[in-house]
Amino acid sequence: GAVVSQHPSWVICKSGTSVKIECRSLDFQATTMFWYRQFPKQSLMLMATSNEGSKATYEQGVEKDKFLINHASLTLSTLTVTSAHPEDSSFYICSAHTGTSGFPRHTGELFFGEGSRLTVL
Amino acid sequence: GNSVTQMEGPVTLSEEAFLTINCTYTATGYPSLFWYVQYPGEGLQLLLKATKADDKGSNKGFEATYRKETTSFHLEKGSVQVSDSAVYFCALRGTGGGNKLTFGTGTQLKVEL
Repeated sequence: GAVVSQHPSWVICKSGTSVKIECRSLDFQATTMFWYRQFPKQSLMLMATSNEGSKATYEQGVEKDKFLINHASLTLSTLTVTSAHPEDSSFYICSAHTGTSGFPRHTGELFFGEGSRLTVL
Repeated sequence: GNSVTQMEGPVTLSEEAFLTINCTYTATGYPSLFWYVQYPGEGLQLLLKATKADDKGSNKGFEATYRKETTSFHLEKGSVQVSDSAVYFCALRGTGGGNKLTFGTGTQLKVEL
């Protein structure tokens, strides 16, 4: 099946610094990627929809200046947590949509990365 | 808006026991329903899905039936194995277009020998 990879899988940073998380689709082109945030014992919360070559669409309540999303190519989307604070500590997960065209033809499913755990001290 | 409610865990079972993880949803129209599984250290993987009422999704011995009358999509397996230990997420995709998923809180399953 399609593979989505995130990097880094975990990161610890000091308060006030910025952290970049990468999400790559390894064997397919993803025109759309999604970024989720998962709090302990809570569901995944959709943060934003990332479209290749255009601005991301943020969900209500998500600060776009805080969580910068760039989808510069069909296989890479990045999430940058700017001026991170301890309350930004969380598990961030990306997913990529395969679409239903192209070669090889995909099933239009969503595939998820392994997640990136951010701890801000 | 859309929402998904699933039973809290952790659920601890002995090997070969019967598993049920309840999931109910709230949505307008006819959403598609999914179960995802997250094994330790890995990303979410699609386990099964159903796209219309009365559909039954099945995979790896797991089943779930889309019940519109009860707005439910309970996950079942007749005989669990230790290797089934993971976190299971129920999710729906609404009819409003796009591929946004709304997830439940996840249910951790622990299967012991």
